[in-house]
Amino acid sequence: DIQMTQSPSSLSASVGDRVTITCRASQSISNYLNWYQQKPEKAPKLLIYAASSLQSGVPSRFSGSGSGTDFTLTISSLQPEDFATYYCQQSYSALPLTFGGGTKVEIK
Amino acid sequence: QVQLQESGPGLVKPSQTLSLTCSVSSGSISSDDYYWSWIRQHPGKGLEWIGYIFYSGSTYYNPSLKSRVSISVDTSKNQFSLKLSSVTAADTAVYYCARDHTVTPSYFDCWGQGTLVTVSS
Repeated sequence: DIQMTQSPSSLSASVGDRVTITCRASQSISNYLNWYQQKPEKAPKLLIYAASSLQSGVPSRFSGSGSGTDFTLTISSLQPEDFATYYCQQSYSALPLTFGGGTKVEIK
Repeated sequence: QVQLQESGPGLVKPSQTLSLTCSVSSGSISSDDYYWSWIRQHPGKGLEWIGYIFYSGSTYYNPSLKSRVSISVDTSKNQFSLKLSSVTAADTAVYYCARDHTVTPSYFDCWGQGTLVTVSS
């Protein structure tokens, strides 16, 4: 299995802050990396696919970067609706598809 | 905009088989562009991919669950289904169905709302 490790597991930030979440793969996955946002009691929502492509309808304050084993999700100016848990997911190997452990973004 | 909706029992007894169905609306399940996945989330935990199916019936399963999992598709009803046998309390989770693109890199762009399944006697 390809292991996906996110850091930090949680963070506290204020509205307007720049927030960066990292995801590391246990082997190279090229750009086969997606980011999701999940709010309590809701299904995950796709934010970024193929490491850096913004899903339609997602605000431009979200951006993704990286290739190989190291990836980053950045929120340029945190908004109240961005407080949620974020997951990375690799689609390089379907045996099995795997997710990171999540990063919970909380209000400072 | 395609929509997915899970349905099935919310309570299953230990050793029995968990059965869920995902209904796809406003779009055809018989598309070359998508796989149809099941994903679960244990209470307060992360996401675990269970497996997916193509409309032709081809399947891929998570090796950790492969011996207990079966995913099937009914194109006439625009539905796909999950069966998980010999369940234990460790299978208590929210189960999501999701659409996965066949293009590479693939991604899950559409999810059902999720359904909580509790395994308890």
